[in-house]
Amino acid sequence: GAGVSQSPSNKVTEKGKDVELRCDPISGHTALYWYRQSLGQGLEFLIYFQGNSAPDKSGLPSDRFSAERTGGSVSTLTIQRTQQEDSAVYLCASSPREGAVYNEQFFGPGTRLTVL
Amino acid sequence: AQSVAQPEDQVNVAEGNPLTVKCTYSVSGNPYLFWYVQYPNRGLQFLLKYITGDNLVKGSYGFEAEFNKSQTSFHLKKPSALVSDSALYFCAVRDTDTGRRALTFGSGTRLQVQP
Repeated sequence: GAGVSQSPSNKVTEKGKDVELRCDPISGHTALYWYRQSLGQGLEFLIYFQGNSAPDKSGLPSDRFSAERTGGSVSTLTIQRTQQEDSAVYLCASSPREGAVYNEQFFGPGTRLTVL
Repeated sequence: AQSVAQPEDQVNVAEGNPLTVKCTYSVSGNPYLFWYVQYPNRGLQFLLKYITGDNLVKGSYGFEAEFNKSQTSFHLKKPSALVSDSALYFCAVRDTDTGRRALTFGSGTRLQVQP
């Protein structure tokens, strides 16, 4: 079956520009997560959506980062006024609602963002 | 706060030998523990998890992990390594007490299996 998809796979932008990264979760999965993986680092949690509940934004590093999830499915992560330190691989994951606390997360291939 | 430590940046092992990738964790309550593997230019793939019950958990591709509460460890093991096991391995934890749904990941351990 179809897994989590992300687009674009690679994005090169200039410092100060805005970027949008897209995530399409597995059909039927109501939980959606964004993480950031910087070179040589582990994964850093950014934001979590669960159904119609208010998202957990506690991991967003600054107010330049925002995300939305339309219709409980596709999610877009927006980074405004990009900085070079935003360069990283942005990973999206989804999991089923039932038993969400202990369910594993299914990850997409990621979007590699390079800010020049 | 929950945290995970993977003390080795890289582990080298010869093909056919047993391998261990170490992970220790810190949580305030009880842990849910996970191992993921990342192949080059790929997303993370789930290997196994510990929720409750038997301390020895078996997962994909012949991997297993042992939960040790007293040592707060969850080391990943495989009896006989394959060259194709070479990849980046991440340990992750979720604290049952905090209600936080996101996983906290370690910094990753690169496993290199030599032929």
